[in-house]
Amino acid sequence: DTAVSQTPKYLVTQMGNDKSIKCEQNLGHDTMYWYKQDSKKFLKIMFSYNNKELIINETVPNRFSPKSPDKAHLNLHINSLELGDSAVYFCASSQDLAVQETQYFGPGTRLLVL
Amino acid sequence: AQSVSQHNHHVILSEAASLELGCNYSYGGTVNLFWYVQYPGQHLQLLLKYFSGDPLVKGIKGFEAEFIKSKFSFNLRKPSVQWSDTAEYFCAVNVGGFQKLVFGTGTRLLVSP
Repeated sequence: DTAVSQTPKYLVTQMGNDKSIKCEQNLGHDTMYWYKQDSKKFLKIMFSYNNKELIINETVPNRFSPKSPDKAHLNLHINSLELGDSAVYFCASSQDLAVQETQYFGPGTRLLVL
Repeated sequence: AQSVSQHNHHVILSEAASLELGCNYSYGGTVNLFWYVQYPGQHLQLLLKYFSGDPLVKGIKGFEAEFIKSKFSFNLRKPSVQWSDTAEYFCAVNVGGFQKLVFGTGTRLLVSP
């Protein structure tokens, strides 16, 4: 019954590899987000999508490519992984783009790049 | 660019003590303010939010926050903490006409039994 789910929960990989993280929400929301939480717990938005359309791209390197096959899914593909990509990645969703709507977060994906 | 400051990085309290976590933001226009909590090993959950109206907002689990516009602050309070309140607390602000949460760096609260 998880509202926002992410897979995998943990991801350990070598530098230079390509990996994907998947996110799904069963809330019927129109808007989804990706956040990065660094080792100091600082959370920063990376992308947002509304009805499968990119809304926010916060100067994220183009090695990161989000893909929204439908409005219930927002996947994050990362090419040529670097050590600095190690972080916890959170997916979130909200009903729509209205500022009063609450964002609901997934459990996070802990990525470790060796 | 807008920013959110949480000056208390770590707070340690005994059970039944009162809690106040500071949050200040830098933006002169209309803001929407949030407090999220992240319990150990869990995802972020909304504690409370402010959009308009009464500046004293009540949230879940006995938490409340007061929006003081003149001080650009939105401090979180709880009169009596419990061990189960041990968590990381994040203040966030939404500005402009659409959803773009800017988070503070978080405050780690440890409540000793």
